[in-house]
Amino acid sequence: QKEVEQNSGPLSVPEGAIASLNCTYSDRGSQSFFWYRQYSGKSPELIMFIYSNGDKEDGRFTAQLNKASQYVSLLIRDSQPSDSATYLCAVMNYGGSQGNLIFGKGTKLSVKP
Amino acid sequence: DAGVTQSPTHLIKTRGQHVTLRCSPISGHKSVSWYQQVLGQGPQFIFQYYEKEERGRGNFPDRFSARQFPNYSSELNVNALLLGDSALYLCASSSLRQAHGYTFGSGTRLTVV
Repeated sequence: QKEVEQNSGPLSVPEGAIASLNCTYSDRGSQSFFWYRQYSGKSPELIMFIYSNGDKEDGRFTAQLNKASQYVSLLIRDSQPSDSATYLCAVMNYGGSQGNLIFGKGTKLSVKP
Repeated sequence: DAGVTQSPTHLIKTRGQHVTLRCSPISGHKSVSWYQQVLGQGPQFIFQYYEKEERGRGNFPDRFSARQFPNYSSELNVNALLLGDSALYLCASSSLRQAHGYTFGSGTRLTVV
């Protein structure tokens, strides 16, 4: 059973701080990793994807991947109250199909003004 | 460009009834997938269709079925509804091998009473 684990939180950070969200996955063969943001009552929105070990930056967001440790993280710099949401880590599973996402339970982030 | 559209937005059904949810993918996208998201959990993969053929199925009972039409829109059907089927049902579309992740629709909130 392929699994994705996240700390459910809530993670609370003050406005302007760095929020660090973490995720581990069980399938060592996984190649593609995604972070989705989901506001309460809304559908998930893709914010980052990463395939290679190391860091990938997009604006205030940085995704970090360490395949040896089976660990992926998301850093949010200069956190804003509008970043308050649940962040879902997902891994692409290509087992016999076109590919489907395996999601963690999500980490709820709260950014306090 | 219109995104992934789902209908209806909300639905209330009684136990034992049947429900049909509908999804139209982004124009040009040939792959449609369905996910179920129970409150407090990450989305779980139900089905994937590509070029009108089923290409993947998650761990859901046979009460769940789906199909894809020649225009690439899709229906998800659930028979003999249970209280536990209450969830947000998400449709996602993609054009290629999901290299950059899925785009989700706004979802259908199903409540079974």
